[in-house]
Amino acid sequence: GAVVSQHPSRVICKSGTSVKIECRSLDFQATTMFWYRQFPKKSLMLMATSNEGSKATYEQGVEKDKFLINHASLTLSTLTVTSAHPEDSSFYICSARTDRYEQYFGPGTRLTVT
Amino acid sequence: KNQVEQSPQSLIILEGKNCTLQCNYTVSPFSNLRWYKQDTGRGPVSLTIMTFSENTKSNGRYTATLDADTKQSSLHITASQLSDSASYICVVSQDSNYQLIWGAGTKLIIKP
Repeated sequence: GAVVSQHPSRVICKSGTSVKIECRSLDFQATTMFWYRQFPKKSLMLMATSNEGSKATYEQGVEKDKFLINHASLTLSTLTVTSAHPEDSSFYICSARTDRYEQYFGPGTRLTVT
Repeated sequence: KNQVEQSPQSLIILEGKNCTLQCNYTVSPFSNLRWYKQDTGRGPVSLTIMTFSENTKSNGRYTATLDADTKQSSLHITASQLSDSASYICVVSQDSNYQLIWGAGTKLIIKP
């Protein structure tokens, strides 16, 4: 089946620094990728929809200047958390859509901001 | 308001036993309903996807049902194994924008 990878799987950074998370579709091309955030014991919350070659669409309440998304190719989308603060600590998950119905999810990235 | 509600919130059963998880939704328009399994610290993995016309779908020991009239779905797990311990999330997709409406999940713990 389709495989989506994320890198890094875990990252610890100091408050005020920026962190980049990569999401790759390994064996298929994804015109659309999604970025989610998940708090402990909560379900996934969609942050933004990323379309290759165009600007990302952000969900209400998500700061686009803080969470920069780049979808430069059909197999790679990146999420950069700028000037990270402890409240940005969370589990970030990306997914890639292959067709009308299916989304394949990455394994997630655990971000801890100290 | 588009919502997906799951029950129970958590469930503990003995290895080898069967269990059924419930999902009720109030989502319109409706495209399809999915069940995902999410292990702790991992991304969700798709178990089944059902469209409006499908009543039941199986994937190994997992069987999902869908009643589009009552807007209810269930996920039945047969002969549970320790590796079934995970969160099971019901998700409804709207056709118009491919957005997914997520349930809060049921945390299933299988005890030996």
